[in-house]
Amino acid sequence: DTAVSQTPKYLVTQMGNDKSIKCEQNLGHDTMYWYKQDSKKFLKIMFSYNNKELIINETVPNRFSPKSPDKAHLNLHINSLELGDSAVYFCASSRGLAYQETQYFGPGTRLLVL
Amino acid sequence: RKEVEQDPGPFNVPEGATVAFNCTYSNSASQSFFWYRQDCRKEPKLLMSVYSSGNEDGRFTAQLNRASQYISLLIRDSKLSDSATYLCVVTGGTSYGKLTFGQGTILTVHP
Repeated sequence: DTAVSQTPKYLVTQMGNDKSIKCEQNLGHDTMYWYKQDSKKFLKIMFSYNNKELIINETVPNRFSPKSPDKAHLNLHINSLELGDSAVYFCASSRGLAYQETQYFGPGTRLLVL
Repeated sequence: RKEVEQDPGPFNVPEGATVAFNCTYSNSASQSFFWYRQDCRKEPKLLMSVYSSGNEDGRFTAQLNRASQYISLLIRDSKLSDSATYLCVVTGGTSYGKLTFGQGTILTVHP
């Protein structure tokens, strides 16, 4: 059983389109995250949710809108896609927000905007 | 100055070698420290947490020096399967749950 899963795995789309990435975790965790890994391989946090409540919104353009329908799901919707949005997007989850909690990452969604 | 800085490498070492990675962090309020491992085109996975007292897990030893804001990872008796990117990760300070990653150090172990 996959602990943190994301769909789709690959996403190729045109500039200006709107797309969504879905994330689900079956670990019973309270906290979920979205990270972006750019072409230089830097991983940066975008958002975190704890019990469906937004905790971190790390100066991400408002074209990006996370949605957490329940604790096990955190989806990412992106409007008006731009070339610079091309990256790998990782979802992650942890038991809670404590500093020492391990975060478990999904396999990533490779987004290419043409 | 980047919040977490690592030597990106790459480090190319023969099997059996000992290799050490270093990392510095800028936020003195940081609370927890980790090494994650990321294989090519895969997700990051926790390798080990890092404590001031130092900790060891088999061939891997991690050390934290809070005074110098410095973290290290030592790999002994390198295996081919150790080839990966090693990410220094820091959390704490202002935002709960926010992991701050270094840019990663690439290790290639060759026969």
